[in-house]
Amino acid sequence: GAVVSQHPSWVICKSGTSVKIECRSLDFQATTMFWYRQFPKQSLMLMATSNEGSKATYEQGVEKDKFLINHASLTLSTLTVTSAHPEDSSFYICSASLGQVGSEGYTFGSGTRLTVV
Amino acid sequence: GESVGLHLPTLSVQEGDNSIINCAYSNSASDYFIWYKQESGKGPQFIIDIRSNMDKRQGQRVTVLLNKTVKHLSLQIAATQPGDSAVYFCAEKIQAAGNKLTFGGGTRVLVKP
Repeated sequence: GAVVSQHPSWVICKSGTSVKIECRSLDFQATTMFWYRQFPKQSLMLMATSNEGSKATYEQGVEKDKFLINHASLTLSTLTVTSAHPEDSSFYICSASLGQVGSEGYTFGSGTRLTVV
Repeated sequence: GESVGLHLPTLSVQEGDNSIINCAYSNSASDYFIWYKQESGKGPQFIIDIRSNMDKRQGQRVTVLLNKTVKHLSLQIAATQPGDSAVYFCAEKIQAAGNKLTFGGGTRVLVKP
C-alpha cells in the first residue's frame, strides 16, 4: 500500500534557528502533498497545500515566509520552519494525495515532534 | 468559517461493547468523508470513508453512517477492543475547495478492560 515517510520523527532546536522536515512518498507519486500542525489534545489544522513544481497554497493565518514549503518532485515535499520560536513547538504531519478516494487516497506520515527551546 | 465538529470529546467504553462516535458538519457541499484513528505520537490512520451519495458503509467491525439531512456523521465500532483506544477524527472534503481535508475536533476513546 501507499507509504509516506516523514523525517525526522522528532527534533529539538534553539530559538532563532531553522528546521527542515521531509515528507516522501515511497512507492507512489503524489499529486498533492499537505502539511498540518497539531497542538496537544487538538485536531489537525491544515497549513498549506503543495503541488509539485508550483508554489504552495497557504491557509489563512499561516505565514508563508515562516513556513517554507518546497515540492521539488512528485515524491518529496519539505517544510522549513524558519527562525523558530517556542510557540512553533508542535506536531507537524504531512499527507500525500493520489487524487482518489479510498484507503490510499490520503496517506499520512508519522509526524514530526518539534520542540523549540 | 464552516468546519467539522464533534459532540463528545471523550468516550469511555467497556471492552466488548459497541462504540459510537459522532461528528457534525456544517458545509452541505461536502462530498466525501473519512474517519481516522490516531494513536499517541503517530499520524492519522485511515479507518473508513463514505461518499455523500451514500448513507451507510461497512468495514471490518466498523460502520459509518451519514445523515445529510441533519449533516451528521457517525462511526460505530463493534466489539470494542483495547487496541481501539485512540483519538478518532472525522474529516471532510469539499470538491469545490480542491482535495484538501478539513478535520473535526476529535474524540478520545478509552476502552476499559
